[in-house]
Amino acid sequence: EVQLVESGGGLVQPGRSLRLSCAASGFTFDSYALHWVRQAPGKGLEWVSGISWNSGSIGYGDSVKGRFTISRDNAKRSLYLQMNSLRAEDTAFYYCAKDVQSWGGSFYDYWGQGTLVTVSS
Amino acid sequence: EIVMTQSPATLSVSPGERATLSCRASQSISSNLAWHQQKPGQAPRLLMYGASTRATGIPARFSGSGSGTEFNLTISSLQSEDFATYSCQQYNNWPPTFGQGTKVEIK
Repeated sequence: EVQLVESGGGLVQPGRSLRLSCAASGFTFDSYALHWVRQAPGKGLEWVSGISWNSGSIGYGDSVKGRFTISRDNAKRSLYLQMNSLRAEDTAFYYCAKDVQSWGGSFYDYWGQGTLVTVSS
Repeated sequence: EIVMTQSPATLSVSPGERATLSCRASQSISSNLAWHQQKPGQAPRLLMYGASTRATGIPARFSGSGSGTEFNLTISSLQSEDFATYSCQQYNNWPPTFGQGTKVEIK
């Protein structure tokens, strides 16, 4: 059974940093691209960042470019999102999602349950 | 980026009735559209990809149609477990984008 379990969310002050993790199981981790998708309260889903199977291809949404960094450790079967210079508008549930392709330009067949990030003073 | 617009925002339907949800792309995305279902406190779930192909384990009462810029998700006879929010996602162009979601609620 495929499982994606996010962790690392919480309450953080504006301008501070937070690192999210996603632990994966139940599939060949190093064969697929992975993504972070977020959902602010009452809003739709927003793609944040994606990374290919070998970290050779990485992309970011315009709203987080230059502040967030995605990475993965295939040996640990884990995906990460380093979030710096956090803003109130970054408040959202953050989901880890598995792509059906290795390079990352397709749809997502599995999602985690999400971790809540709240940016507030 | 491609803007995905879903309608209606909320759909009130009685159990057993048919529900049709719409998703429009700001430019052609061929058939590179997926539908995801979300329930409160649960992980989103893939329902449909390629606009009309059901994902593994998805019941036949769910069907998808459309290509280009206009797409529909139809639930032929709503069951209690189908009351949820449905989001469309285009993966034809980078970056991938989602619609705002349609909430299907009990009438």
